Amino acid sequence: GIQVEQSPPDLILQEGANSTLRCNFSDSVNNLQWFHQNPWGQLINLFYIPSGTKQNGRLSATTVATERYSLLYISSSQTTDSGVYFCAVERGGYQKVTFGTGTKLQVIP
Amino acid sequence: EAGVAQSPRYKIIEKRQSVAFWCNPISGHATLYWYQQILGQGPKLLIQFQNNGVVDDSQLPKDRFSAERLKGVDSTLKIQPAKLEDSAVYLCASSFGARGYGYTFGSGTRLTVV
Repeated sequence: GIQVEQSPPDLILQEGANSTLRCNFSDSVNNLQWFHQNPWGQLINLFYIPSGTKQNGRLSATTVATERYSLLYISSSQTTDSGVYFCAVERGGYQKVTFGTGTKLQVIP
Repeated sequence: EAGVAQSPRYKIIEKRQSVAFWCNPISGHATLYWYQQILGQGPKLLIQFQNNGVVDDSQLPKDRFSAERLKGVDSTLKIQPAKLEDSAVYLCASSFGARGYGYTFGSGTRLTVV
């Protein structure tokens, strides 16, 4: 099956700092999503981004499908950004979703 | 709009016992997913329903896990008998259709097998 690797696995930031999270995938995909899992375990969809760039407030994401990677940018980080960030790729006729390995982010005041 | 509802929130059982989880997706969402998330790992898809039909259950341990989606709405996931390695959070998600738009997760059920 498809492999979805994320880097870095762990990241500690000072509040206000910027960061870039990366997602590499091993095969072509129909869609890619970024999720944030908060410290209480709730998963929230951040972006649907099969290709190109999208922005939502302090977050933006870019997917380069031909090179099989996606980037999530977090600017001016806040403590509420802490948690685990997952990318998830969709492929196949019924859009099977495979999650990546995750990046655990801790933002300290 | 109401979210994806799951129950129970927590469950502790002894190994070899059985357990069932319930999920009510967002109204109108045709696709329903059950995931298993072991501590420190990403969610792993167990089964995907399109309306009330199964479209992917390749990672479901069918000797002990079963799932059904009644009338294309609510769904139950059952484990019988449970093993220690089944300790995990079981997440339900739903979306508008097979393309995953409107993908929404429930709060999950944390299962501990002792």
